[in-house]
Amino acid sequence: AQKVTQAQTEISVVEKEDVTLDCVYETRDTTYYLFWYKQPPSGELVFLIRRNSFDEQNEISGRYSWNFQKSTSSFNFTITASQVVDSAVYFCALKRNNAGNMLTFGGGTRLMVKP
Amino acid sequence: DAGVTQSPTHLIKTRGQQVTLRCSPISGHKSVSWYQQVLGQGPQFIFQYYEKEERGRGNFPDRFSARQFPNYSSELNVNALLLGDSALYLCASSRQGSPTNEKLFFGSGTQLSVL
Repeated sequence: AQKVTQAQTEISVVEKEDVTLDCVYETRDTTYYLFWYKQPPSGELVFLIRRNSFDEQNEISGRYSWNFQKSTSSFNFTITASQVVDSAVYFCALKRNNAGNMLTFGGGTRLMVKP
Repeated sequence: DAGVTQSPTHLIKTRGQQVTLRCSPISGHKSVSWYQQVLGQGPQFIFQYYEKEERGRGNFPDRFSARQFPNYSSELNVNALLLGDSALYLCASSRQGSPTNEKLFFGSGTQLSVL
């Protein structure tokens, strides 16, 4: 069975602080995909990043960066110099190979960035 | 191009009633998936349809059913509503049935309240 755990249910930071959202996953598959989505108050899930299990290179996109460590089954997400617009719920998700659109989501982390 | 559109945005039903939720995918997308998101939790996969055929089903009772039309739009039906069915129902679309190398695009959801 697959499982995604986001232990931090809520994080509050002041603008310009750096913040890291943790994600730990469980799977017996050797090929799988990891995702991060952002859910603003409007409700839709906005895709941020996808990583396959064979690509452990860290990735940076502007103020966003991701640290994938297979040895610890973690896929953490860091926002540098946070902004109020970053306030949202962030979800980490896992997908098996050839599993279509079936994603297993974690419980989410609500990030509040205060001015 | 319009994104994934869902209707209605909000719905209130009473226990035992039936409900139909609708989803129009992004133009050119042939796959539609449905997710249920209970307040405070991550989305849970319900169904995936591709080219009008069911491609995946999550762990939901038979009260939940769906179909996809020739224009690739989709309906999710829930019979004999229970209080626990109260949730945000998200629809997602992708070009193909197994979007390993592409993004999954989500709508803003239908908020269903069962009284």
